[in-house]
Amino acid sequence: ILNVEQSPQSLHVQEGDSTNFTCSFPSSNFYALHWYRWETAKSPEALFVMTLNGDEKKKGRISATLNTKEGYSYLYIKGSQPEDSATYLCAFRESGGSYIPTFGRGTSLIVHP
Amino acid sequence: DARVTQTPRHKVTEMGQEVTMRCQPILGHNTVFWYRQTMMQGLELLAYFRNRAPLDDSGMPKDRFSAEMPDATLATLKIQPSEPRDSAVYFCASGSTRVYTEAFFGQGTRLTVV
Repeated sequence: ILNVEQSPQSLHVQEGDSTNFTCSFPSSNFYALHWYRWETAKSPEALFVMTLNGDEKKKGRISATLNTKEGYSYLYIKGSQPEDSATYLCAFRESGGSYIPTFGRGTSLIVHP
Repeated sequence: DARVTQTPRHKVTEMGQEVTMRCQPILGHNTVFWYRQTMMQGLELLAYFRNRAPLDDSGMPKDRFSAEMPDATLATLKIQPSEPRDSAVYFCASGSTRVYTEAFFGQGTRLTVV
């Protein structure tokens, strides 16, 4: 069983704050790391796919970095807005096998107006 | 707008009854996943198909759960007999092994077993 951990489990911030959270994954046999955004009562939607050590991806106010050697990825949200409130999931895919995404349990972000 | 379609969206059933959940993956995708969302486990993998062949169902209770892909446009997850502890949201997702494609999720089936 692959160990994919996300921290913190939940986070409350004020509108306008910048925030970040962490996804930790095995540092060997890396294939890809995905970030998803999951709003309540909806299904997860992909934000980023990260494949190379040192990757940095950006979409609007959200960005992510990847360190495959030490096995972590950070997701940053700059100037949080209430509509950013969601659970953010990361999924690790291992090479040399079935490439099945193993999901972390997510970070629940609530942005207060 | 390609999407994964799951039916039904909601299902309430009595303990002991058979439940069948259906999923239509995105056309052209060759991988299908079934996940169960629980409070304790988060997104728990139940089954994985690649090119319609079941490759991993280690997360699925074999005595009551079964997953099949009768053709490339349909995946099914059956529970027989259902139990109250099976109550959860079941998600189907599809993807591709050809590129670094993310999994595209359906809207989920919310199952309540009473």
